[in-house]
Amino acid sequence: KQEVTQIPAALSVPEGENLVLNCSFTDSAIYNLQWFRQDPGKGLTSLLLIQSSQREQTSGRLNASLDKSSGRSTLYIAASQPGDSATYLCAVRHTGNQFYFGTGTSLTVIP
Amino acid sequence: DADVTQTPRNRITKTGKRIMLECSQTKGHDRMYWYRQDPGLGLRLIYYSFDVKDINKGEISDGYSVSRQAQAKFSLSLESAIPNQTALYFCATSDPRGAEETQYFGPGTRLLVL
Repeated sequence: KQEVTQIPAALSVPEGENLVLNCSFTDSAIYNLQWFRQDPGKGLTSLLLIQSSQREQTSGRLNASLDKSSGRSTLYIAASQPGDSATYLCAVRHTGNQFYFGTGTSLTVIP
Repeated sequence: DADVTQTPRNRITKTGKRIMLECSQTKGHDRMYWYRQDPGLGLRLIYYSFDVKDINKGEISDGYSVSRQAQAKFSLSLESAIPNQTALYFCATSDPRGAEETQYFGPGTRLLVL
């Protein structure tokens, strides 16, 4: 059974800092990996999706990398802002359409 | 207007009661999903449907049932609610025709079983 772990569970940084969130998974036979943002009362919003054949994806200040063989992904956030405060979840998908989510990293960006 | 809506947003019920959570979507997606989220456990897949009348069990389907009578609606039922079903429930949709098949989530239903 796939297990997805996110470290750290919580992170607090001053505004403007660059930061890295980590995601690891035990079964490398994934179809893709996705990073989500969760805001209270608003559900999950997709940030970046990396196919198993890709190494990274970028969107604005966000960059996600994938090392499938080692079972790791990172989400890099550049020049953090208070509006980035949220919980960040990673999820892996297998070809059987099963999705497995990590427990998330709660990020607070201090003005 | 939101593309994926869930009703109710909050619900308190008693042990043994039957309750239904509703999900509606205007995205035109064929695939729909129900998840539950518990502190420290992340989101876990309960059921999913690839089309009307298609139902598939997820990781934790025991104690739940679903109905997909129309493309836009996917309902989750707890036949006899128990306290350990207290959780945050999310509905999601996806489009298999897209290259990436991103999932789109509703705002969630917070359920408390007393």
